[in-house]
Amino acid sequence: NAGVTQTPKFQVLKTGQSMTLQCAQDMNHEYMSWYRQDPGMGLRLIHYSVGAGITDQGEVPNGYNVSRSTTEDFPLRLLLAAPSQTSVYFCASSYSGHLGLAGSYTGELFFGEGSRLTVL
Amino acid sequence: GENVEQHPSTLSVQEGDSAVIKCTYSDSASNYFPWYKQELGKRPQLIIDIRSNVGEKKDQRIAVTLNKTAKHFSLHITETQPEDSAVYFCAANQAGTALIFGKGTTLSVSS
Repeated sequence: NAGVTQTPKFQVLKTGQSMTLQCAQDMNHEYMSWYRQDPGMGLRLIHYSVGAGITDQGEVPNGYNVSRSTTEDFPLRLLLAAPSQTSVYFCASSYSGHLGLAGSYTGELFFGEGSRLTVL
Repeated sequence: GENVEQHPSTLSVQEGDSAVIKCTYSDSASNYFPWYKQELGKRPQLIIDIRSNVGEKKDQRIAVTLNKTAKHFSLHITETQPEDSAVYFCAANQAGTALIFGKGTTLSVSS
């Protein structure tokens, strides 16, 4: 059971380049999310997904795209990298979701090891 | 959307003292409040959480209290040890699922 796996762990980009951060989980979690962590700013939510085919914006979505074609994978795309996107990125998943009339449930969030991205 | 404020940003205590970190949230619909610990260079990991149907939860030296009326919750660490030194994050759920985090508290425990 690998948990949440992120690749790459380190990446250096030039301004204007594009790249994809990969995230995969093997816990059959419906909920997946991406955060960025910057000094003094905590963990800020970029995008999240409550299941395959469903994505939604978080606190800081601009400059990032996501898709969720399978339960296991949730890639984060940077289309035109900018120095302001230099950060540590964490993918996280949990057993969370909407339960219809029963409301919703939020479970423990399991994080990947993080990906350190530098944009020059 | 949800907004989570966390205080203090840094906290220094002597080994054996208690440490308290406080958070406030804005969304009255939030019903899940976890606390995460992040050691240097590592990923955040859950240390304790509380749901809105209880006011207090304890796990050995760690406890969390929740005041739904005032929309605030706190982390209490007793008998602190050097290995408690880390960054601690509080969070609250938005729209039932997405977790919004506070900016973090750097706790330093000196022996």
